[in-house]
Formats: sequence, C-alpha cells, structure tokens
Amino acid sequence: QTVVTQEPSFSVSPGGTVTLTCGLSSGSVSTSHYTSWYQQIPGQAPRTLIYSTNTRSSGVSDRFSGSILGNKAALTITGAQADDESDYYCVLYMGSGISVFGGGTKLTVL
Amino acid sequence: QVQLQESGPGLVKPSETLSLTCTVSGGSISSYYWSWIRQPPGKGLEWIGYIYYSGSTKSTNYNPSLKSRVTISVDTSKNQFSLKLSSVTAADTAVYYCARISGGTYHWYFDLWGRGTLVTVSS
Repeated sequence: QTVVTQEPSFSVSPGGTVTLTCGLSSGSVSTSHYTSWYQQIPGQAPRTLIYSTNTRSSGVSDRFSGSILGNKAALTITGAQADDESDYYCVLYMGSGISVFGGGTKLTVL
Repeated sequence: QVQLQESGPGLVKPSETLSLTCTVSGGSISSYYWSWIRQPPGKGLEWIGYIYYSGSTKSTNYNPSLKSRVTISVDTSKNQFSLKLSSVTAADTAVYYCARISGGTYHWYFDLWGRGTLVTVSS
C-alpha cells in the first residue's frame, strides 16, 4: 500500500522561510505525481494552494511555492505570517484516478 | 460561481449504510470529476473515491482500503452525486467532504471543496 509521508509538525519564526516535504514510503516523487498542496485551518475545509507540483492556485500568495527537492515534493513558504499557522496536506496522483493524501504537517508560526 | 453542499444524516448506527449527497450549484455536474474525502476527528484527510460522468461515459475508482464498502453515483437530473458506505463502524466517524477534481493530461487536483458534514457512527 502506498504511504505518503510528511513531517508531523514544523515551526517557523515570523518572517522566516520553511520548506515542508512530501515523500513516498517506497520510491521517489516526480512531476508525474501531479503533487498538490492544501492548507487547512482546523474546523474549515481545505484550501488549494499548489497543483501540478509548482502551479499556484488562483488567489494564492506568491509566498507559497512548490517544487521537487531530491526525491520528494516540497512546499516552501517565505516571509511566514501568523495566519500561515495551519495544517498542510500534500496529495499525490497515483494514476487511474487514485489520489493519496499525506498525513499532514502542522505548522506553527512563533 | 460553482458551489458544493454536502447533506445527509449526521448519525448512523453501526453496521448500517452511510449515505451522503453533494449538490452542485452554479454549474453542471457533467464532464467533470467529482470526489469524496473524509477526515476523522483530529486526524488527516483520506481520499474515498471519485466519479466522472459525461453523456454515456461513466467512470469510478475507489480507495483500495474502502473499495469493498463504497459506492459513488451521480444523478444528473438533480445535479448531485452521492456516497454510500456500507457496514460502518466507529472508525468511519468523520467529517465528509465532497470536492471537484480538475483532471487533465498534466494535472489532477481538488480545485473546489464543500464545507463538509460530520457523520457520527454510534448506536
């Protein structure tokens, strides 16, 4: 069974830069996984940030960027702000319409 | 703009079937991919499955871990799609989200989400 891995938690200082990663328990993440990233404030529906590895969704700040770093997908947040404090989820497309969510990263800004 | 709204019972008894409906407003349900996703309290998101319908073409696929218990269907006359999950247990207690998938040659992602509905499995 495919397992998508994310850091359970991360912290960043206000104004700082943080990179969250999204990996596979077996193998490497590539652009063919069409990695997407979602931000979720507890109690709210997720919000789409990035799709197709590095394309920002409409209205998303350019402080958010996506990439492939080594064998993982990555979400980088620059100039961290208090309202970036959220849960972040990556999704990998495995083909045949199958999507797999990562376990999520809880980001703290302090 | 297109909006999604989940509806259905908030309480289901163990061993029974959970049934939810997602109403699509402001746009057609045809020629798009639609999905169900759930989130147990305090835990992460889990993809349940998707459905695509256009004319005479329909396709579905499900999370392998849920496949034996899940059915997703569409009703184009009502612009709705539905989820049925059979033989539920307490582990199926979750917020259930419906979402639209933007799917194409080089992209596949959830571009529109409903607000979610909490379903509790309890006797």
